[in-house]
Amino acid sequence: GENVEQHPSTLSVQEGDSAVIKCTYSDSASNYFPWYKQELGKRPQLIIDIRSNVGEKKDQRIAVTLNKTAKHFSLHITETQPEDSAVYFCAASLPANQAGTALIFGKGTTLSVSS
Amino acid sequence: DGGITQSPKYLFRKEGQNVTLSCEQNLNHDAMYWYRQDPGQGLRLIYYSQIVNDFQKGDIAEGYSVSREKKESFPLTVTSAQKNPTAFYLCASSTWTGYNEQFFGPGTRLTVL
Repeated sequence: GENVEQHPSTLSVQEGDSAVIKCTYSDSASNYFPWYKQELGKRPQLIIDIRSNVGEKKDQRIAVTLNKTAKHFSLHITETQPEDSAVYFCAASLPANQAGTALIFGKGTTLSVSS
Repeated sequence: DGGITQSPKYLFRKEGQNVTLSCEQNLNHDAMYWYRQDPGQGLRLIYYSQIVNDFQKGDIAEGYSVSREKKESFPLTVTSAQKNPTAFYLCASSTWTGYNEQFFGPGTRLTVL
């Protein structure tokens, strides 16, 4: 089945720096790749997603890139702020012939932004 | 934060007892999901349901059971067969057409005493 690896597990940056989190997936049939942010004590919330027919997507300070050939995708956060501190999860959809949009998640990256 | 609710927020259970976690949504979503969250393990898929009266096992279904008798509800039972049930449980829902955001509930923290 699908397996998602996420790196690094922890990331510390200074305010204003960029942060990059990388994920790889195993099943080439996966076609949807969302990123979720979970603040301490809160539920995960979608921050950006990308579909397999797109190589890059940007929303203000966050961007996601997808390389289907290499089966990896990355989250880029520019001009980081203390409120970006949270746990970030990548995910890949199970192949459509099995489960539509059921997701397999990476283990998460704890991002700490110090001012 | 409305739309999908879970109860209770905290739950304590003695070893050997079954316990049922509630998940309700009023978003008119077809699909519902249960995840287990442990420190450093991310979110692991337990069960998911695309439509009423149908559900599929995820990666870690052993020791768990679900039902989907109504579109709005997807309760999860943690049985005594689950060897390490202490965890944070998250329910989510989404539409089932194409690629769609999963909306998460606030979670239930289960502790086995």
